Amino acid sequence: DGGITQSPKYLFRKEGQNVTLSCEQNLNHDAMYWYRQDPGQGLRLIYYSQIVNDFQKGDIAEGYSVSREKKESFPLTVTSAQKNPTAFYLCASKGINNSPLHFGNGTRLTVT
Amino acid sequence: ILNVEQSPQSLHVQEGDSTNFTCSFPSSNFYALHWYRWETAKSPEALFVMTLNGDEKKKGRISATLNTKEGYSYLYIKGSQPEDSATYLCAFQSAGNMLTFGGGTRLMVKP
Repeated sequence: DGGITQSPKYLFRKEGQNVTLSCEQNLNHDAMYWYRQDPGQGLRLIYYSQIVNDFQKGDIAEGYSVSREKKESFPLTVTSAQKNPTAFYLCASKGINNSPLHFGNGTRLTVT
Repeated sequence: ILNVEQSPQSLHVQEGDSTNFTCSFPSSNFYALHWYRWETAKSPEALFVMTLNGDEKKKGRISATLNTKEGYSYLYIKGSQPEDSATYLCAFQSAGNMLTFGGGTRLMVKP
């Protein structure tokens, strides 16, 4: 079955450590996205990529980095520079033009 | 940062009531407007993607309209059921393929 896989589901890290969240899709979609959700808030865009080897900052890119070396994969690194990293992270992919987003199941990151 | 706003933030209705929510968005650089339903412990799932001014889409008891000139979209649910309880999200898609979400409307339908 085609879909998006995010791993792990839960992630715990100590403050000051970088951590990488995985996102893999087998839908053959060109575009991929990372969103963050905090309690009581909507989804905020961190980074997105329209094609391999290209990505753009979203509204809250500070303290995050991404790479897009393969069409299937769009990992997100939460660096120690991110002031409030504890949140729920959702990855999504999208086909051409006005296709809808397809979402993964999310990763809940807790940094203490 | 693009301003995409949804109202109300939350809504409690009785089973059988009809209800509607609003999404407002910038009228410039518009490509498409998306609606998603997000149930607890699941991933958001797409309801509609609309592109043309005056578009109306329907899926069962749920329908949506789009006004790109004034920058708003309405989502209607006819005869709400408890299984309609979820958070409804709209997202503005720009010509550059950036998708910006509103804060969502949380709907609770009481049996």
